[in-house]
Amino acid sequence: AQKVTQAQTEISVVEKEDVTLDCVYETRDTTYYLFWYKQPPSGELVFLIRRNSFDEQNEISGRYSWNFQKSTSSFNFTITASQVVDSAVYFCALSEALKDTGRRALTFGSGTRLQVQP
Amino acid sequence: KAGVTQTPRYLIKTRGQQVTLSCSPISGHRSVSWYQQTPGQGLQFLFEYFSETQRNKGNFPGRFSGRQFSNSRSEMNVSTLELGDSALYLCASSLEQSARTDEQFFGPGTRLTVL
Repeated sequence: AQKVTQAQTEISVVEKEDVTLDCVYETRDTTYYLFWYKQPPSGELVFLIRRNSFDEQNEISGRYSWNFQKSTSSFNFTITASQVVDSAVYFCALSEALKDTGRRALTFGSGTRLQVQP
Repeated sequence: KAGVTQTPRYLIKTRGQQVTLSCSPISGHRSVSWYQQTPGQGLQFLFEYFSETQRNKGNFPGRFSGRQFSNSRSEMNVSTLELGDSALYLCASSLEQSARTDEQFFGPGTRLTVL
């Protein structure tokens, strides 16, 4: 069974600080996909990034960066120079094939609530 | 392009009743997935529909069911409601048949409260 662990339940930082959200996953598949989603107070999940298991290149998008390390089964997310608007719950998710159907579904971590104080 | 829409946004029901939630995917998207979000269990996959067929199903009792129409709109139904069914129900649509590679676009959710 696949599993996604986000050990940090809640993080509070002051604006302009850098913050890293941890994500550790478990899977037996060699082909899988990892995602990060942001859930602001409005409730709607906003897609941030998708990574496949064959692409370990780190990615940077503005103030956001992701560090994918297969050796440690981690897919961490860093926000540089955090802003109040970054306050939200962030979910890491894993997509792998379901045993019985071969089709895929997302398994989400429990989320990390990020509070950025002004 | 309009995003994923879900109706109603809020719903209050009592135990034993049934409820139907609706989801309209992004135009052109053919896959619709449903998720349940609760404080205790987090985000859990319910089922996925593609071309009016259920393609994936999560580990939920038979009281939870769904369907998809020819225009890709989807409904989910929960019968004999229990207090534990109180949750935010999220719908997501994606372009292709399988959610394995595609980003899923989520709607704002329907918050169901069971009294």
